[in-house]
Amino acid sequence: GDQVEQSPSALSLHEGTGSALRCNFTTTMRAVQWFRKNSRGSLINLFYLASGTKENGRLKSAFDSKERYSTLHIRDAQLEDSGTYFCAAEAVGSFNKLTFGAGTRLAVCP
Amino acid sequence: GPKVLQIPSHQIIDMGQMVTLNCDPVSNHLYFYWYKQILGQQMEFLVNFYNGKVMEKSKLFKDQFSVERPDGSYFTLKIQPTALEDSAVYFCASSRTGGEDTQYFGPGTRLLVL
Repeated sequence: GDQVEQSPSALSLHEGTGSALRCNFTTTMRAVQWFRKNSRGSLINLFYLASGTKENGRLKSAFDSKERYSTLHIRDAQLEDSGTYFCAAEAVGSFNKLTFGAGTRLAVCP
Repeated sequence: GPKVLQIPSHQIIDMGQMVTLNCDPVSNHLYFYWYKQILGQQMEFLVNFYNGKVMEKSKLFKDQFSVERPDGSYFTLKIQPTALEDSAVYFCASSRTGGEDTQYFGPGTRLLVL
């Protein structure tokens, strides 16, 4: 069954506002990656976390293996942040096999 | 950032033919992966590869699939023979190590089997 549940499936933000995306895991994961898919369909790496939090500009991500979730916070959203965001996680015991969430389609509006 | 290249970007073939998808991974990476995404569905893991061997494969990695990286050149996914259900976008990825390490993805090859 599905091991990565990503929410929301779609999100609309006004410029300058923020929100959080979330991935819940049905099994223990040892690491998570967050990506944004650009207009050409390429996956852009945002974060890799094995624990704790990381921040990069207006993006911040957290991963809690014990509580089985990860979040991606976007603040001060800009038009160029629009796109589809994916989390992907590696289960404990897997050999770097990433299981992807279904994605969150983010639209940032003026 | 590090770039993974995939050739071709699109491929259309007739069912039953053989197809080879090529991946040029990041230059100092040692671990390689293929993922498959059928239109409208989630990306799914196919296989990973290290030191000339398949380390793990999913149930999607049928007997008709094979992977290799001869002499450090392209990392390839070969499907022989192809079936209609093989139509999908195939993404290659690579990572430097097999431990806790970021996987970098290529832009995908869109395969259509007619």
